[in-house]
Amino acid sequence: AQSVTQLGSHVSVSEGALVLLRCNYSSSVPPYLFWYVQYPNQGLQLLLKYTSAATLVKGINGFEAEFKKSETSFHLTKPSAHMSDAAEYFCAVKGGSSNTGKLIFGQGTTLQVKP
Amino acid sequence: NAGVTQTPKFQVLKTGQSMTLQCAQDMNHEYMSWYRQDPGMGLRLIHYSVGAGITDQGEVPNGYNVSRSTTEDFPLRLLSAAPSQTSVYFCASRLGVGTGELFFGEGSRLTVL
Repeated sequence: AQSVTQLGSHVSVSEGALVLLRCNYSSSVPPYLFWYVQYPNQGLQLLLKYTSAATLVKGINGFEAEFKKSETSFHLTKPSAHMSDAAEYFCAVKGGSSNTGKLIFGQGTTLQVKP
Repeated sequence: NAGVTQTPKFQVLKTGQSMTLQCAQDMNHEYMSWYRQDPGMGLRLIHYSVGAGITDQGEVPNGYNVSRSTTEDFPLRLLSAAPSQTSVYFCASRLGVGTGELFFGEGSRLTVL
């Protein structure tokens, strides 16, 4: 069965610093991987996704993630944090067989951005 | 464009009461799903549907029922609420079962006393 593990439930960075949020996956088949963001009191929004094309995926708001098969990782990065990036971030993997459409989420990482 | 609409946004129940969380989408999406979000647990899949008349269980289905009589609606029923069902519930939909974006509602916060 597919699963994802997010390392670190809370990450704190200064404004302008590098953002690195870690995600490792487990999958017996080539995975489809996603990063979603949740702002306070809202639903989740898609940041980016990996679907077996380019291993470096660019998303919205300056975020990107690199798929590394050898490390079973899909870490999310942003070169320079903004105050508006403070939110909760979820890594997810498409689970089950190809015709179920299930998305399995990690535990989430809260990003705090300090001025 | 309304997207995914959930009602109610807030609800307080007593143990043993029943209620239905409503979810409607106006994007003609085949795939719909319910998640619950709890601190430190991320989002856990309760039930999902790949089309009208078709539903299946997710990771944590116990205590919840669903049905899908139309493409637009996917209600979640709690037959006998328990304090362990205190959570924030999200409905989400997607055009198909592929790798497209999952669109989320704004959530329904349920407290069971």
